[in-house]
Amino acid sequence: AQTVTQSQPEMSVQEAETVTLSCTYDTSESDYYLFWYKQPPSRQMILVIRQEAYKQQNATENRFSVNFQKAAKSFSLKISDSQLGDAAMYFCAFTNAGNNRKLIWGLGTSLGVNP
Amino acid sequence: GAVVSQHPSWVICKSGTSVKIECRSLDFQATTMFWYRQFPKQSLMLMATSNEGSKATYEQGVEKDKFLINHASLTLSTLTVTSAHPEDSSFYICSARRRERTNYEQYFGPGTRLTVT
Repeated sequence: AQTVTQSQPEMSVQEAETVTLSCTYDTSESDYYLFWYKQPPSRQMILVIRQEAYKQQNATENRFSVNFQKAAKSFSLKISDSQLGDAAMYFCAFTNAGNNRKLIWGLGTSLGVNP
Repeated sequence: GAVVSQHPSWVICKSGTSVKIECRSLDFQATTMFWYRQFPKQSLMLMATSNEGSKATYEQGVEKDKFLINHASLTLSTLTVTSAHPEDSSFYICSARRRERTNYEQYFGPGTRLTVT
């Protein structure tokens, strides 16, 4: 079965500091996609970053970057220069063609940012 | 681009009545739309996958006669909660995949909060 595990239910970071959220997944597929979504208090899901499994280079989007370790099936999210607006639930998700492109979700990590 | 809307954003209904939630892709055509349910402080639970012009595929444990899904066009999918009960109260989210893209990305609506009294 394909699963996504986020082992940190809650985390906090000081404003302007760096924080890393962990995510591991399990699949026997070789072609898949990984995502980090942010859900702020408004509950609108926002795509933070996307990683294609066939790409060796780690994806980056401004202050957000990932550490994709395919052999270890690990996909952590690093947030640099944390801002108050980064406070939200962060969900790691996985999909591939084999599961009809459904997203498999982790349980989420609640990130607090301290001023 | 890639905006998805949901209507209504919140709704209160009485037990035994039905309520319809609309999900629209505003600036793209969606081959596939997904319906999720989310309880407070929990992850998203996929209820069903709908493809335009065909019957929805429901996840195990989701009652298809209770949660009716219709995907009538490439820009509109509806979820109807029939004979609603208080336990159906939840936050319902839809998402859509673009017709012309192959990157597997889903675009999410803002969600609908349903309260059944």
